[in-house]
Amino acid sequence: SYELTQPPSVSVSPGQTATIPCSGDNLGQKYVSWYQQKPGQSPITLIYQHSSRPSGIPGRFSGSTSGNTATLTISATQALDEADYFCQAWDINTKVFGGGTRLTVL
Amino acid sequence: EEQLVESGGGVVRPGGSLRLSCVASGFNLNDNGMSWVRQAPGKGLEWVANINWNGGSTNYADSVKGRFTILRDNAKNSLFLQMSNLGAEDTASYHCAREGLFGYFDVWGRGTLVTVSS
Repeated sequence: SYELTQPPSVSVSPGQTATIPCSGDNLGQKYVSWYQQKPGQSPITLIYQHSSRPSGIPGRFSGSTSGNTATLTISATQALDEADYFCQAWDINTKVFGGGTRLTVL
Repeated sequence: EEQLVESGGGVVRPGGSLRLSCVASGFNLNDNGMSWVRQAPGKGLEWVANINWNGGSTNYADSVKGRFTILRDNAKNSLFLQMSNLGAEDTASYHCAREGLFGYFDVWGRGTLVTVSS
């Protein structure tokens, strides 16, 4: 079965840029989405179709995919961005999530 | 406001069955494919199953295939997940989610907790 790999944790200083990678075979050939989840809350969609943002999502969040790796980039990171981030891909008839990355804003 | 509200969770014994429901408001369910996504306590998200707009096509994760059935009743704007032969590994919060184009989830419910325990 298809798998997506994310680092368990990433740390960033306030105001800096955070990058969260997600890797999977031929990921560039699949549709990639990113979700943010804070404790006790449901996920919210940050990015779909590799780099598109739903309305209401700040421009600080951006996504890109090249080859086998998708990347979520958070510019000018704020304390409120501290959360879990999940990548997700559409593989044939199934949906697959990465294991998630805990972003810590130090 | 577009909303999804799940219900039907609870405590069930190993080997037991449970039926989850999800009611949509603020949009017509029959315009979209729908999925169930679960999250075990302290763990990540796991896609469980999906169903196309009219119920004619369903797909399942290997971990639940043959035990879970996803259903929908568009007339009632509702989605269901029939679960059987439950095991401890099925303990999780179950979220229904609307599928947008390009295979992503654009509306999420708050989830209903299923606990499998003797």
